[in-house]
Amino acid sequence: DTAVSQTPKYLVTQMGNDKSIKCEQNLGHDTMYWYKQDSKKFLKIMFSYNNKELIINETVPNRFSPKSPDKAHLNLHINSLELGDSAVYFCASSQYRDRGNTGELFFGEGSRLTVL
Amino acid sequence: DAKTTQPPSMDCAEGRAANLPCNHSTISGNEYVYWYRQIHSQGPQYIIHGLKNNETNEMASLIITEDRKSSTLILPHATLRDTAVYYCIVIPGANSKLTFGKGITLSVRP
Repeated sequence: DTAVSQTPKYLVTQMGNDKSIKCEQNLGHDTMYWYKQDSKKFLKIMFSYNNKELIINETVPNRFSPKSPDKAHLNLHINSLELGDSAVYFCASSQYRDRGNTGELFFGEGSRLTVL
Repeated sequence: DAKTTQPPSMDCAEGRAANLPCNHSTISGNEYVYWYRQIHSQGPQYIIHGLKNNETNEMASLIITEDRKSSTLILPHATLRDTAVYYCIVIPGANSKLTFGKGITLSVRP
């Protein structure tokens, strides 16, 4: 079983379209994240949810809207796609770090978005 | 936030130990040092973390200097599959967000 799974793995679309990327984790974690890795390979955090509540919201355009229907899912919806949105988007999850666990992040395999 | 400095790249021979350095001279007393790696086109993978003491797990060892201003990740017997970008990250407090820098590209040669 894949711990953190994202769909789709590849997405090619036209500018101006709206698209969603889905993420599910079966690790029982209470925190989930979205990261963006651009063509220069910099990995930047976008959002973080803890128990379905938004706790981290970096400077991301309003066109990006995360939705967490439950602890195991964090979806990313992007409106009015632009060329600069082309990147690999990684979902991750973790358990709140305290004694007994490392707080490590488990990442999905990424969703490569190409905007034409 | 404490910041880390890593060389951009290094290489080592297969089967030899790979020693990856990281400087974090402004680290605070409650900040942990985490290491992740990203193999080409895959999601980052946790390797190890530590606070003050040296740590070892099945993947690697982490050596932290006594003044905590630097650390070294050691892969004891590097294989070709260890070729990846390795990120040294200092977390400013428990459960804070991970901020990835440029990392160090390790190339393991046959």
